[in-house]
Amino acid sequence: SQQGEEDPQALSIQEGENATMNCSYKTSINNLQWYRQNSGRGLVHLILIRSNEREKHSGRLRVTLDTSKKSSSLLITASRAADTASYFCATAPYGNNRLAFGKGNQVVVIP
Amino acid sequence: DSGVTQTPKHLITATGQRVTLRCSPRSGDLSVYWYQQSLDQGLQFLIQYYNGEERAKGNILERFSAQQFPDLHSELNLSSLELGDSALYFCASSVGVGDGELFFGEGSRLTVL
Repeated sequence: SQQGEEDPQALSIQEGENATMNCSYKTSINNLQWYRQNSGRGLVHLILIRSNEREKHSGRLRVTLDTSKKSSSLLITASRAADTASYFCATAPYGNNRLAFGKGNQVVVIP
Repeated sequence: DSGVTQTPKHLITATGQRVTLRCSPRSGDLSVYWYQQSLDQGLQFLIQYYNGEERAKGNILERFSAQQFPDLHSELNLSSLELGDSALYFCASSVGVGDGELFFGEGSRLTVL
């Protein structure tokens, strides 16, 4: 089954800086989603981008999708300490919601 | 608060035992998904139910089974437990079976000793 693979795996930045994470996948998708997970907690949906979209914004989040390269990026602008978490991309094939998750990016924002 | 409730939050048991994890989906959601999260395997899709019927199966072991009841809550049964079954088990729900976001519970942390 397809699976998102995030890059880089771990990121440590200062508060106020931007954080960028990348994700690649292997097969055709219907949509790609990003989730955040605080340590040991449940995943929280951040943003969904459909296969016919190239860019999407939500607050301080910007997601891009390049279906020709089978890749996506998540940008968090003006990071805050509360953004410290693991970020996962997940791909959804057509016709169902069986999300396949990548291994996650750990982001640490230093106050 | 996602609206998805999972119990128990923590569970410690011995090898060979059987446990049941419970999930109540968000009000109005008909689909329930089970995921296993471990350090080595990451987040693995186990199984999905929609309105009481099994919809999709992922990497679920034969020792594991699940069901969704008429009131839409779901249970994941894990039997003949092994040390490697220690993991976080998440339940998620969504409105339908198509695309869209999943709402995750806080998970049940299973430790097998």
